[in-house]
Amino acid sequence: QLQLQESGPGLVKPSETLSLTCTVSGGSISSSSYYWGWIRQPPGKGLEWIGSIYYSGSTYYNPSLKSRVTISVDTSKNQFSLKLSSVTAADTAVYYCARQGLYCSGGSCYLGWFDPWGQGTLVTVSS
Amino acid sequence: SYVLTQPPSVSVAPGKTARITCGGNNIGSKSVHWYQQKPGQAPVLVIYYDSDRPSGIPERFSGSNSGNTATLTISRVEAGDEADYYCQVWDSSSELFGTGTKVTVL
Repeated sequence: QLQLQESGPGLVKPSETLSLTCTVSGGSISSSSYYWGWIRQPPGKGLEWIGSIYYSGSTYYNPSLKSRVTISVDTSKNQFSLKLSSVTAADTAVYYCARQGLYCSGGSCYLGWFDPWGQGTLVTVSS
Repeated sequence: SYVLTQPPSVSVAPGKTARITCGGNNIGSKSVHWYQQKPGQAPVLVIYYDSDRPSGIPERFSGSNSGNTATLTISRVEAGDEADYYCQVWDSSSELFGTGTKVTVL
């Protein structure tokens, strides 16, 4: 059974860089059928996609966060990571990692559903 | 930019049917996925590719998508279905989530 687990600091100071790692167990991150994504949820608010990465390193980012986000993958450790720079209080949220389906049709490929998700980790931005 | 609109809340009596809509311009041309999120828990995929159900999700959950509206239908609603529900689509190389709908079981 595939499981994902987020890890990293729960408190980050304003203007610093938030760093999280997602460890995948029960399956290989190098599968050709999936991307791996980061999603966040501010307290009491909805879900926001941050970005996704393929095992080869190919990435997609949310345009609204793209200038501050870097997602990387380490296939030897079966992990992928998130870095979000210049954080402010608005970046306080529960951060989730998840496996993302990839489907191709008519010569084009699209990213799809997220399943399963990690349990999430709360990151607070505060001095 | 593409926007997905959901009603903030839906109330339904036990045993009845709840319908949660997700509106977007020509959403019927896209694949829609739905998630259930209970308080303090991570979201769970309940419908993918408009109407497919992952293993372990009850048949009471179904989905449809046409025109400008996708719909998640929960039949024979139970108290355990009380949760927030989100739709999701892929558009212009970005993932988008709907605004979320809180389903209350009366």
